[in-house]
Amino acid sequence: GAGVSQSPSNKVTEKGKDVELRCDPISGHTALYWYRQRLGQGLEFLIYFQGNSAPDKSGLPSDRFSAERTGESVSTLTIQRTQQEDSAVYLCASSRDRRTGELFFGEGSRLTVL
Amino acid sequence: SQQGEEDPQALSIQEGENATMNCSYKTSINNLQWYRQNSGRGLVHLILIRSNEREKHSGRLRVTLDTSKKSSSLLITASRAADTASYFCATDGSNYQLIWGAGTKLIIKP
Repeated sequence: GAGVSQSPSNKVTEKGKDVELRCDPISGHTALYWYRQRLGQGLEFLIYFQGNSAPDKSGLPSDRFSAERTGESVSTLTIQRTQQEDSAVYLCASSRDRRTGELFFGEGSRLTVL
Repeated sequence: SQQGEEDPQALSIQEGENATMNCSYKTSINNLQWYRQNSGRGLVHLILIRSNEREKHSGRLRVTLDTSKKSSSLLITASRAADTASYFCATDGSNYQLIWGAGTKLIIKP
């Protein structure tokens, strides 16, 4: 597609439910990042995918968080047993490769856990 | 960890004035980038400056980099209401991860 697409745009869920967030990167971009941004804060790195290499999961805050990516296409971020502190905007970004500086961001998925 | 730090945290100026934001970082970098974020949604890349560059221009944007002081500044000239946004700097080091600051919230008053 023309840009990075994320869905859903907004998600309201109850504490304890699982949620799945989707990111469709720009075609041909081998690098894909997930970030979390709490209200008024900066970006918190979650996970990085580069081509078919093993992902860097060092930013995932707990084992309730997981992400997958099939090849160089769509990625899904799953949060199990959601907690109120998971409420945030989850941003996905892609780039041509890891040496390319510029990241292209999606509009984010705003998650609210009640 | 976050190594970029922008200041000021918030800036409010009149339309038409110039806005200057600063970013400091702690470790050696290959490049530094500035991004804009409107209304807490997706970030948009503004400009990238490499460690061997001292100044770069793009339209009404001017970025400087001082590697000896580990700092960068973003100047927006002749500000417009549409420039109201949060501005983030991001640095990269020896790996692929970008390190983000907490951002400067810029408000342009009509």
